[in-house]
Amino acid sequence: KQEVTQIPAALSVPEGENLVLNCSFTDSAIYNLQWFRQDPGKGLTSLLLIQSSQREQTSGRLNASLDKSSGRSTLYIAASQPGDSATYLCAVPTGGGADGLTFGKGTHLIIQP
Amino acid sequence: NAGVMQNPRHLVRRRGQEARLRCSPMKGHSHVYWYRQLPEEGLKFMVYLQKENIIDESGMPKERFSAEFPKEGPSILRIQQVVRGDSAAYFCASSPRALRNTEAFFGQGTRLTVV
Repeated sequence: KQEVTQIPAALSVPEGENLVLNCSFTDSAIYNLQWFRQDPGKGLTSLLLIQSSQREQTSGRLNASLDKSSGRSTLYIAASQPGDSATYLCAVPTGGGADGLTFGKGTHLIIQP
Repeated sequence: NAGVMQNPRHLVRRRGQEARLRCSPMKGHSHVYWYRQLPEEGLKFMVYLQKENIIDESGMPKERFSAEFPKEGPSILRIQQVVRGDSAAYFCASSPRALRNTEAFFGQGTRLTVV
């Protein structure tokens, strides 16, 4: 059964810092990994999708890496801004015949102005 | 292209009533997924549907919960005889293909409160 863990659960940093969010998954036989952002009381916004054949994916100040063999992904946020404050979630296809996503519990990020 | 549309955004039901949650996928998307998010918990998969078919309902409670995605109209998640433990945020996602090949797009969710 696929399990996804995100560390840290919460993070508070001053504006302007670069930061790394971590995601690990137990079953390395994944097709892809997706990072989402969730603002309080809102839905999920897709940030990046990394296919299993890729090592990195970039979008603006965000860079996601994937090490499939070790079951890890990181989300790097450069030059953080207060508007980056949100909960960041990673998810992988559940696999084993199921076609949903398995989510981590997220990292709650606060960027201090 | 409008995103995934869910309504209502907020729903209050008394114990024992029925809750009907609607989800209109993005245009061109025929795959719909429902998830539940309990307070302080992660999102949990409930059910996966393609047009008129339930593909995987392994995450959905066997009693009181049902889902459909008719040929015409939105997908409906129906909860009969709601209990306090059903209070949660329910999210719908859609994709143009199976998730092994593409990304999922989520709606804003329906926040169900059972009083």
